[in-house]
Order: sequence, then C-alpha cells, then structure tokens
Amino acid sequence: SQKIEQNSEALNIQEGKTATLTCNYTNYSPAYLQWYRQDPGRGPVFLLLIRENEKEKRKERLKVTFDTTLKQSLFHITASQPADSATYLCALDRDSSYKLIFGSGTRLLVRP
Amino acid sequence: DAGVIQSPRHEVTEMGQEVTLRCKPISGHNSLFWYRQTMMRGLELLIYFNNNVPIDDSGMPEDRFSAKMPNASFSTLKIQPSEPRDSAVYFCASSLGQYNEQFFGPGTRLTVL
Repeated sequence: SQKIEQNSEALNIQEGKTATLTCNYTNYSPAYLQWYRQDPGRGPVFLLLIRENEKEKRKERLKVTFDTTLKQSLFHITASQPADSATYLCALDRDSSYKLIFGSGTRLLVRP
Repeated sequence: DAGVIQSPRHEVTEMGQEVTLRCKPISGHNSLFWYRQTMMRGLELLIYFNNNVPIDDSGMPEDRFSAKMPNASFSTLKIQPSEPRDSAVYFCASSLGQYNEQFFGPGTRLTVL
C-alpha cells in the first residue's frame, strides 16, 4: 500500500545548527512533493515545492532535495533559530493529481 | 490579504446534532479542499472542489458528511448527525490551480460530546 513516513520522534537541536528532516515514501510515483510548516493551533503553511525532475530547491535558509530513486526527500534548515520550532509536514501528490497525501509530520525543537 | 477564513473556530456539540462548518477561500482561487486532522490519522483530504464543482468526495467518511460550494467565495461542510468520532480539527484550503501550493485556513476544532 502507499505510505509516507516521517520521523515521529521530535528532532531537538541547538540554535545555529542545521536541522535535517526526512520524508520517505513507498509505492508512489509522485510528480511533485511539498513541505509545510504547522504551528500549534494553526493550519499548515506552505514552504517549498519540488518537482520530480528537480534534485534540489532552495529558499533563503531552507533547502529541499528529492531523490526519486531512493524515494526520499530531505528538508534542511540552516542556521536554525528557536522561531523555526514547529511541526513540518511533507506532502506528495497522488497519481499526478491535485490530491495531496500528507505525512504525519516531524516536530522540530530548536534550543536557544 | 485576509487569507482563508473559517468559522467557527471552535465548536462543541452533542452527539446527534447537526454541525455546519464554513469557509471563505482566497479571492481568485479556483480550487478548494476540506481536510480533517486527528492525532491518529493525521491530515486527510475529505473533498475537493474545482471551479465550485465537487470533483472528488472519496475521502468523505460516510453519508453523514456533505459539502457544498454555492459560489466561488463560500463553502460549507455539514455533519448530520454528528458523532463523538467526528471530533477533530477541520481545515479548509484553497489554491490557484490544482497542482499549486495550498493555503490553509486556521481550522475549526470540533468536539462532539
């Protein structure tokens, strides 16, 4: 069956370090992948989209990679700050369509 | 921009009552999505509208759930009758086009007692 896996354990890092979050998927062939940030009590906020023919995408301190062979996306936040603390969700399109399948999210905690 | 607007933000009701959740998408967006988020199941797509037309309602859990989009600026999700297992946070999201980033509203936290 189709499955998206994100590390369910919280990632706890020191301010200034690079945070790396992982999104693995099986039995999918997504045309694109998106990353969202969700703060407690709020809706997810879009961060980045990467297409299957792109290996890497950057936006300010954020970097996303997409390896369709490994079926994995990595999400990096460089020079992390306490304000980056949140839950990060990856989402893949299903059947090259509008339908997004979301992972369960990984909580990031950045210590000052 | 006001972003996606949802109301109410919180709803507490008793089992068997009708619940109506409301959403105003971002002006100009032609795709609207209703999601449900729970700890156990995460974020699940319930229904998708494109240009006010329901395209995919395969995620709607059962006949107790219904959704409408009478015009481009308003959508409702109705649960009748409500059950305790419907307790969740319900999000509305809109986008410009089917494959673009989605803008989520603040959500409605529904508690069915």
